[in-house]
Amino acid sequence: DIQMTQSPSSLSASVGDRVTITCQASQDISNYLNWYQQKPGKAPKLLIYDASNLETGVPSRFSGSGSGTDFTFSISSLQPEDIATYYCQQYNNLWTFGPGTKVEIK
Amino acid sequence: EVQLVESGGGVVKPGGSLRLSCAASGFTFSSYSMNWVRQAPGKGLEWVSSISTSSSYIYYADSVKGRFTISRDNAKNSLYLQMNSLRAGDTAVYYCARDPTVTTRPDWGQGTLVTVSS
Repeated sequence: DIQMTQSPSSLSASVGDRVTITCQASQDISNYLNWYQQKPGKAPKLLIYDASNLETGVPSRFSGSGSGTDFTFSISSLQPEDIATYYCQQYNNLWTFGPGTKVEIK
Repeated sequence: EVQLVESGGGVVKPGGSLRLSCAASGFTFSSYSMNWVRQAPGKGLEWVSSISTSSSYIYYADSVKGRFTISRDNAKNSLYLQMNSLRAGDTAVYYCARDPTVTTRPDWGQGTLVTVSS
């Protein structure tokens, strides 16, 4: 089974700050990695697919990078509507999710 | 437009059973592998099970193996999850989700809540 770790588990940042979340896979997953945003009571929303591709309609302040085992997700300028929990997900071998990062406004 | 609509959730006693359904529309259901993912209250996302297009390949998380059965009916564009021997720890929102392909992204339903409580 592929395990996913994610850090930090939570962060607090100011509006306009750059926010970075890292995700690590327990084995090489190539670029089979997605990033999701989830708000309370809602289904996860796909932001980034294949590690670095921005989903249609998602603001360009969101970005992703990495391949193999190490991945990074960034918000270039944090906005109030970005308050949510963010999950990475591998789909190289079945699906596994990272534990999530809760993003709050300072 | 892709739509995935889950149903069948509710309150059930420990040891009981429940069958979830997911009605798919807006795409060729028979061409996609499908998944169930759950989320316990206040917790993260947990993959539960997946099924290939023709049901030839089926996989389960260790936490549900032997108790849950995934199935599909391509003629009815529907995905199912039969849940037996339910435990309090199975309490969660259950989502059905479509596998991505080279040209399509994953899609999720809105979820159905299963509560296991005496």
